[in-house]
Amino acid sequence: AQSVTQPDIHITVSEGASLELRCNYSYGATPYLFWYVQSPGQGLQLLLKYFSGDTLVQGIKGFEAEFKRSQSSFNLRKPSVHWSDAAEYFCAGGTFTGGGNKLTFGTGTQLKVEL
Amino acid sequence: GAVVSQHPSRVICKSGTSVKIECRSLDFQATTMFWYRQFPKQSLMLMATSNEGSKATYEQGVEKDKFLINHASLTLSTLTVTSAHPEDSSFYICSASRDRGGNEQYFGPGTRLTVT
Repeated sequence: AQSVTQPDIHITVSEGASLELRCNYSYGATPYLFWYVQSPGQGLQLLLKYFSGDTLVQGIKGFEAEFKRSQSSFNLRKPSVHWSDAAEYFCAGGTFTGGGNKLTFGTGTQLKVEL
Repeated sequence: GAVVSQHPSRVICKSGTSVKIECRSLDFQATTMFWYRQFPKQSLMLMATSNEGSKATYEQGVEKDKFLINHASLTLSTLTVTSAHPEDSSFYICSASRDRGGNEQYFGPGTRLTVT
């Protein structure tokens, strides 16, 4: 079965520190991979996506993610975290089913930023 | 571009009544729309996929007679929760895609449903 795993439920980092959020996927073929951010009571905002090609993907707000096929991972990184980055982060994988791309979401990682 | 709105943002209804949630793509035509449900501090679970002019495809375990989805136009999809019960209380989020490939989904801000 297709699945996306985010091993870390909560992560706390100090403002200005680097950040890495982990994401592992299990699919029969390479899925489309996404990272979304959700602020409390809000919908999801797309940070970045990987379809094919360059395995290092740049996104908005200074985020990047690296696709590693050998590790089935798509970890999200940011070199210097800002207090406004505190939110819930979701990794998602998608496959085209003919009727639309169905996304499978990880359980999310809650990021807390200490000032 | 690619803005999706939902209305209402919050709704409280009494048990046994029905409530309709609208999802609109404001600046693009959405061939495919998706409805998700999110429980507190949990991930999003896909409920159904709807293509304009076709019947929605529901995920396993989702009652199609309880969660009625209509995608009558390229900019509007509605989710009606019929005979709502307290266990239906949740955060409902829609997303829209420009084409059936749906490789990128644009998410609405969500609707908080509380059934009393």
